Amino acid sequence: RKEVEQDPGPFNVPEGATVAFNCTYSNSASQSFFWYRQDCRKEPKLLMSVYSSGNEDGRFTAQLNRASQYISLLIRDSKLSDSATYLCAVRRGSARQLTFGSGTQLTVLP
Amino acid sequence: NAGVTQTPKFQVLKTGQSMTLQCAQDMNHNSMYWYRQDPGMGLRLIYYSASEGTTDKGEVPNGYNVSRLNKREFSLRLESAAPSQTSVYFCASDTTGYEQYFGPGTRLTVT
Repeated sequence: RKEVEQDPGPFNVPEGATVAFNCTYSNSASQSFFWYRQDCRKEPKLLMSVYSSGNEDGRFTAQLNRASQYISLLIRDSKLSDSATYLCAVRRGSARQLTFGSGTQLTVLP
Repeated sequence: NAGVTQTPKFQVLKTGQSMTLQCAQDMNHNSMYWYRQDPGMGLRLIYYSASEGTTDKGEVPNGYNVSRLNKREFSLRLESAAPSQTSVYFCASDTTGYEQYFGPGTRLTVT
């Protein structure tokens, strides 16, 4: 089993829709969680960190469920510009390195 | 503020050739990382350097070597390139415990 797993999609949604992605992690010692966005043929860019209490940034909401060992990303009122691959990343305890999921591809349709 | 820079952007090698990928960051980060990204495989860590003077293996280190030249620079060397090393290579840096910032990537093809 992979340490970090994501549904690869693709998710095709109409503009204005709400879409949610989940990312499960297998190591209960994981301490830090992040969502990255990657556009086609570009580098990953940090979208948001995920805090224990959940956090929101505009149309984006990230949540952490430690009991079930997953993080989620909710995108409200989808825009065409949200089309990208969304990667989750997890850091175990005091480890320096991040472990990434394979990414979920989102296409927002006009 | 350039962030993380990588050179070259593209490279084509023949099997058996060697090359070095260069990475530099100007954010005064302690840690630097090399990843490769293949379709359907996500980002896989090759090597990382927690601080100047130290390097450690990641998930897929075979066939690669690294050098942390100073705090700013971290290079990745392929001594004898193989077709299986065809990939997109990303360098990243961070301050311990915080988010990583990535360079624009190097697209490497080995024929």
